[in-house]
Amino acid sequence: AQTVTQSQPEMSVQEAETVTLSCTYDTSENNYYLFWYKQPPSRQMILVIRQEAYKQQNATENRFSVNFQKAAKSFSLKISDSQLGDTAMYFCAFMKHAVNYGQNFVFGPGTRLSVLP
Amino acid sequence: DTGVSQNPRHKITKRGQNVTFRCDPISEHNRLYWYRQTLGQGPEFLTYFQNEAQLEKSRLLSDRFSAERPKGSFSTLEIQRTEQGDSAMYLCASSRVGPLTINYGYTFGSGTRLTVV
Repeated sequence: AQTVTQSQPEMSVQEAETVTLSCTYDTSENNYYLFWYKQPPSRQMILVIRQEAYKQQNATENRFSVNFQKAAKSFSLKISDSQLGDTAMYFCAFMKHAVNYGQNFVFGPGTRLSVLP
Repeated sequence: DTGVSQNPRHKITKRGQNVTFRCDPISEHNRLYWYRQTLGQGPEFLTYFQNEAQLEKSRLLSDRFSAERPKGSFSTLEIQRTEQGDSAMYLCASSRVGPLTINYGYTFGSGTRLTVV
């Protein structure tokens, strides 16, 4: 079974600064995907960024980038130029690559990020 | 298309009562997932459908839980004889996947928050 760990229950950052959220996971799978999701008070889970495990290049989406270390099973999220709208719960998630079965997420417990004005 | 719709948004029920939630996925999505999220935790997978077939159920889905997707469109999740431990947010998600392909367009709804008193 896969597990996802987020060791930082809460973090805060000043507006315009950079923050890094940590995530580690455990799996015996070789083909899988990793995600960061954001859940604001509106409750809807919003995809921030995704990474395919077979790709060595770290994914980037505007102000969001990841540091994917496959051997260490580490997948951290860096948010640059933090904005007040980034305040939310952030979940790291794992999905194994499987045809028809097992394509569900395994989520970590989340990190509550507060961006301070 | 307005995304994944879940109703009701909130539900308060007395212990022992039955409750039913509804999820309307994005129209062209052939997969539909149910997750449960307890306070301060990440979502946990319950079950998923491909079209009208329920392909996978997690150990979390006890005998008191049943899900249906009768025509491969909307889905219902029913909890019989509710217990206080059932209090949680129930999230629905949908995605489109073709044969031998991975999930694309995985979209979550805003959830139904259940409180059992």
